[in-house]
Amino acid sequence: QKEVEQDPGPLSVPEGAIVSLNCTYSNSAFQYFMWYRQYSRKGPELLMYTYSSGNKEDGRFTAQVDKSSKYISLFIRDSQPSDSATYLCAMSANSGYALNFGKGTSLLVTP
Amino acid sequence: GAVVSQHPSWVICKSGTSVKIECRSLDFQATTMFWYRQFPKQSLMLMATSNEGSKATYEQGVEKDKFLINHASLTLSTLTVTSAHPEDSSFYICSARDLIRSDEQYFGPGTRLTVT
Repeated sequence: QKEVEQDPGPLSVPEGAIVSLNCTYSNSAFQYFMWYRQYSRKGPELLMYTYSSGNKEDGRFTAQVDKSSKYISLFIRDSQPSDSATYLCAMSANSGYALNFGKGTSLLVTP
Repeated sequence: GAVVSQHPSWVICKSGTSVKIECRSLDFQATTMFWYRQFPKQSLMLMATSNEGSKATYEQGVEKDKFLINHASLTLSTLTVTSAHPEDSSFYICSARDLIRSDEQYFGPGTRLTVT
């Protein structure tokens, strides 16, 4: 079993929809959770960074962490075509350490 | 925000030759840099952790004699793929950990390697 599981999609939604992206993990030592956005043939771009459990909001993005269920989510409100990309969840047990990535979910927001 | 660059962004080489990829932190110092590899439609897989002034730590299954890593300064790490083979064709991405804000990692734009 991989340490981080993420449905690769693709996920297609109409513009303006709320998008929900999720990851599950098996290592209970993970405490730092991140969401990255990656466009084709580009490096990952950090969207959200969360420590331990709880919610964090930044503009149209909300990250949720439920450590008891080993489940993290990223919500995108009022989705735009420019949000079309691959979204990667990543996590680590210690801050600044190498990250364990999910496979990424491919998102397409259609006008 | 902090910027990490990689050079080259795209390289094609012949089987059996060596290729060097550079990773630079442009506006911050990085004691630690990470090298990842990403195959099409796959996740980023950690290859090695590079610490300035010391030997790199390689992940299980990654040949240290094939993937040579040098981290000679606080802003530069290099990955050399020696005797490249077609199966080494991949997207190589580095990330750098900020010396001051050590919980932050910044990714480079990646280098696409194609071995013919």
